[in-house]
Parts: sequence; structure tokens; C-alpha cells
Amino acid sequence: GEDVEQSLFLSVREGDSSVINCTYTDSSSTYLYWYKQEPGAGLQLLTYIFSNMDMKQDQRLTVLLNKKDKHLSLRIADTQTGDSAIYFCAESRNSGNTPLVFGKGTRLSVIA
Amino acid sequence: DAGITQSPRHKVTETGTPVTLRCHQTENHRYMYWYRQDPGHGLRLIHYSYGVKDTDKGEVSDGYSVSRSKTEDFLLTLESATSSQTSVYFCAISARDRGLWGYTFGSGTRLTVV
Repeated sequence: GEDVEQSLFLSVREGDSSVINCTYTDSSSTYLYWYKQEPGAGLQLLTYIFSNMDMKQDQRLTVLLNKKDKHLSLRIADTQTGDSAIYFCAESRNSGNTPLVFGKGTRLSVIA
Repeated sequence: DAGITQSPRHKVTETGTPVTLRCHQTENHRYMYWYRQDPGHGLRLIHYSYGVKDTDKGEVSDGYSVSRSKTEDFLLTLESATSSQTSVYFCAISARDRGLWGYTFGSGTRLTVV
């Protein structure tokens, strides 16, 4: 079956890097996503990575994928107070419309 | 913005009453989803739809039904609300975002069953 695990909380100081980790069980996962949820809002797509990639960088965000260990991480460089949110890891088997499976979310708190 | 609106945004209802939540989209997307979000559980799929009158169950479908009589509306009904259905409900559509299929979410409906 499909399962996605994340740690629930992370606290970092402003200006430091944040690393949010995720593990998944479905070896057929093709696409892996990171979503961000700010208070009182829905989720917004932050970034993604295809399963045939090891790394993807997008401005302050770096996604690392270890397919052998089924481990995904999101690094946020120079973390700002505006980065405080819940971050969800999600997986999908194909690029179409198979329902995404989400982790429980990691609440990132940024201390000024 | 994919033009998704959920209504109502907040609702308080009594145990045993029926409740219908509405998700409306303006861009003719085929796939729509209902999730619930609870502390410690993240997002869990309730039902989804892959076209008009085509729906399927998710992992937590018990106590919920859905209908999709037209492309733009996906309705979630709690036939007889229970306190365990107190939650935040999110609708999502599947659409291309930066060239990749992904979800666009509505702003959510906070439902309290008393």
C-alpha cells in the first residue's frame, strides 16, 4: 500500500537553512510533490521532482530524492518568517490524475 | 488561480443532520477531489470524480456521498453528520501547473458537528 511519512514539527532560526524530510513506501511513485499550507488557507504547490531525478533546485528550494531509500527532502535556504507554514509531501504514480497520497505535514516554525 | 470556490466557508451543524458542501470550478477540469484535514492525520481522500456522474471512493468514504451532475460542481454530502466528521474539508482539481499535473486546492470549509 501507499504510505508517506513526515516528522510533524521543525523549528529553525531566521536565516538558517531548513530541511524537511519525507519517506514513502510505494516504489512505483513517479512524481513527488511538496505543498505549502499557510494558516487558514488551502495547499499550494511549492515544487516537485520526477522519480528519475536526484535533485531539483528552484531559487531557495532544493529537493533531494534518494529513490533507493525512498527518501525525499526539501531544503529551504535562508529561511524567513514568511516560510512558517505546514509543508506536505505527496506522491503520485503517474502524471495524470491518480489521487495524490499526502503525508501528515511538517509544521515549520521560524524564530526571528 | 484555477477558479475553485468552496461553500460554505464555515458551518456548524447538529449531530444527525444532513450537510452538503459544494465545490465549484470555472475552468472545465475533469478531475475533482474531496479531502478532509485533521490534526495528526494530514489530508485524507474521501471521494473523487473523473467526470460527470463518474466518482470513486477514497480511503475515508464511510458516511459520505458525492454527486457530480455537471462538470463545474462536485458536491459532498454527509447523510447524517457525526462529531467525528468535524474537520476542515478541501476540494481540489487536477490541473497543469508549470507544465506538471498537480492539484489546485480550494480555501476549505470548516465544519463543526455539535
